[in-house]
Amino acid sequence: GAGVSQSPSNKVTEKGKDVELRCDPISGHTALYWYRQSLGQGLEFLIYFQGNSAPDKSGLPSDRFSAERTGGSVSTLTIQRTQQEDSAVYLCASSSDSRSGNTIYFGEGSWLTVV
Amino acid sequence: EDQVTQSPEALRLQEGESSSLNCSYTVSGLRGLFWYRQDPGKGPEFLFTLYSAGEEKEKERLKATLTKKESFLHITAPKPEDSATYLCAVQGGGAQKLVFGQGTRLTINP
Repeated sequence: GAGVSQSPSNKVTEKGKDVELRCDPISGHTALYWYRQSLGQGLEFLIYFQGNSAPDKSGLPSDRFSAERTGGSVSTLTIQRTQQEDSAVYLCASSSDSRSGNTIYFGEGSWLTVV
Repeated sequence: EDQVTQSPEALRLQEGESSSLNCSYTVSGLRGLFWYRQDPGKGPEFLFTLYSAGEEKEKERLKATLTKKESFLHITAPKPEDSATYLCAVQGGGAQKLVFGQGTRLTINP
């Protein structure tokens, strides 16, 4: 596609339920990132994938959070047993390779509300 | 640890009133400094990447500059459609992730 695609755009879930957020990066992009943005806050790094290398999971806030990337393309971020503090916008981004300074393009985000 | 601080947090200008936004950073081996624009309810939109001190880039009414400690986003004769949150981020050392500042919320009044 023309840009990074994320789904769902909005998700309201009950506390304690699991949610899955999907990211479809720009075609041909090998690097994929997940960020979280809480209301009025800056972007918080969660996880980074590059090709077939082991992902950088250093930003995941707890073991309730996990992500996978299948076939080097689509990625799914899973949040288990959601809590109210998980409410935020989850942003996915991709870039064409791992070279430093390469432009990173963001999707429109998945807005998660935990009630 | 890489850090980015943006100032001011919010800035309100009249249409046509030029100003600058500041991004101060500490990073181990700067590989790139990025500027993004974010409109409410949208994802960040890429504006510029700067790689080394002294570099400048321009796009319409925006010009980004870089020193060894900070970057400025200059906005000349702004229009109401320039209203947005402007985000600064750095990529440093061996890491591939971007570290973001808190952003500057810019409002241009007609």
